[in-house]
Amino acid sequence: EAQLVESGGGLEQPGGSLRLSCAASGFTFSSSAMNWVRQAPGKGLEWVSTISISGGNTYYADSVKGRFTISRDNSKNTLYLQMNSLRAEDTAVYYCAKALSGYFYMDVWGKGTTVTVSS
Amino acid sequence: QSALTQPRSVSGSPGQSVTISCTGTSSDVGGYKYVSWYQQHPDKAPKLMIYDVNKRPSGVPDRFSGSKSGNTASLTISGVQAADEADYYCCSFAGSYTLKMFGGGTKLTVL
Repeated sequence: EAQLVESGGGLEQPGGSLRLSCAASGFTFSSSAMNWVRQAPGKGLEWVSTISISGGNTYYADSVKGRFTISRDNSKNTLYLQMNSLRAEDTAVYYCAKALSGYFYMDVWGKGTTVTVSS
Repeated sequence: QSALTQPRSVSGSPGQSVTISCTGTSSDVGGYKYVSWYQQHPDKAPKLMIYDVNKRPSGVPDRFSGSKSGNTASLTISGVQAADEADYYCCSFAGSYTLKMFGGGTKLTVL
């Protein structure tokens, strides 16, 4: 069974950095594009970033572009999100999600990791 | 770009049909067939219910169906059940720059 487990969330001050990880199992990680999606408290879903199978193509929402970096290590079946210059509005549950095919859909989701940005 | 527009809430009695709309523009919903719908129960991860406007992943009941007309996509749940009470989000491809955008979400209440 395909499974994704996020880690690395926590409390960080504005301007600080965090690195999220997502460990994949139960499917061929190196054959799937991957995504990060976040959900602020009491709010809706927001797409954050997508990375291609090889890692050569990356895409970002305008709200995080220039501050967040998505990457992957196919040898470790792990997806990452490096989050720099954190802002209060980055406070959210961050979900890792596997692409169904191509870049358009997300068919396997982790349970999420909580990031809180506050002084 | 703004999020896709969904009604904040819809409701229906068990056995009824309910439809949730998702309105975008010709740059997203209206311009591509890449529309999907996600179900999210409280404190749970989202679940893919519909993709390619009207296709169901394996395991999703055929009570769930999708359609699109112009810039508006719709999710219809036929014979709604108590277990269907959840938040529903539409999502559309929005071009090679924005890639994906979600709707604001619709809370389905089963009366």
